Amino acid sequence: DAKTTQPPSMDCAEGRAANLPCNHSTISGNEYVYWYRQIHSQGPQYIIHGLKNNETNEMASLIITEDRKSSTLILPHATLRDTAVYYCIVRVVVTGNQFYFGTGTSLTVIP
Amino acid sequence: GAVVSQHPSWVICKSGTSVKIECRSLDFQATTMFWYRQFPKQSLMLMATSNEGSKATYEQGVEKDKFLINHASLTLSTLTVTSAHPEDSSFYICSARGWLGELFFGEGSRLTVL
Repeated sequence: DAKTTQPPSMDCAEGRAANLPCNHSTISGNEYVYWYRQIHSQGPQYIIHGLKNNETNEMASLIITEDRKSSTLILPHATLRDTAVYYCIVRVVVTGNQFYFGTGTSLTVIP
Repeated sequence: GAVVSQHPSWVICKSGTSVKIECRSLDFQATTMFWYRQFPKQSLMLMATSNEGSKATYEQGVEKDKFLINHASLTLSTLTVTSAHPEDSSFYICSARGWLGELFFGEGSRLTVL
């Protein structure tokens, strides 16, 4: 029941910024945008989340458009260890509210 | 971030046997945990929501009698795959909800049924 659309794959040169887009045109006003990534054969790792404003942490930046219908995750200086599948998820932050994963974007960082 | 641990990380069993996977939140209490299954080259599929002290809520198409979930304490949820068959071979991942609403995931448990 994913509500997001992401490109299936992307490449990025090592050291350059990786910009991963996500479309969520049916997002509701109380739904947050979450980003996770999954390195092969591991559990997903939380990256960042936001509601309206752009957010930044030690891992990445999240840019949300003014109409909130799309967002971009930015890894400022991609390294080989950033090669993973990146998932964009929208959900309401309430008790027990589930996360449904879409197909994600497989990012390959190239040396 | 918060730590969620799963055990075992991998298990091989014979067809017809039952396998239990544990999911623990190590440094926080989790009233709600989630169980996912992931087949090769596919995304995570939510199986069920595990609520401490009450029955789990299963997603459509997931057999509750085959995938038994118990959430007896605020730090432990277990998934038991009963009468496992080769088609149950998969990567099982649990997660627990943090206080900001984000989910923290375990390392995953790879089940192989022979």
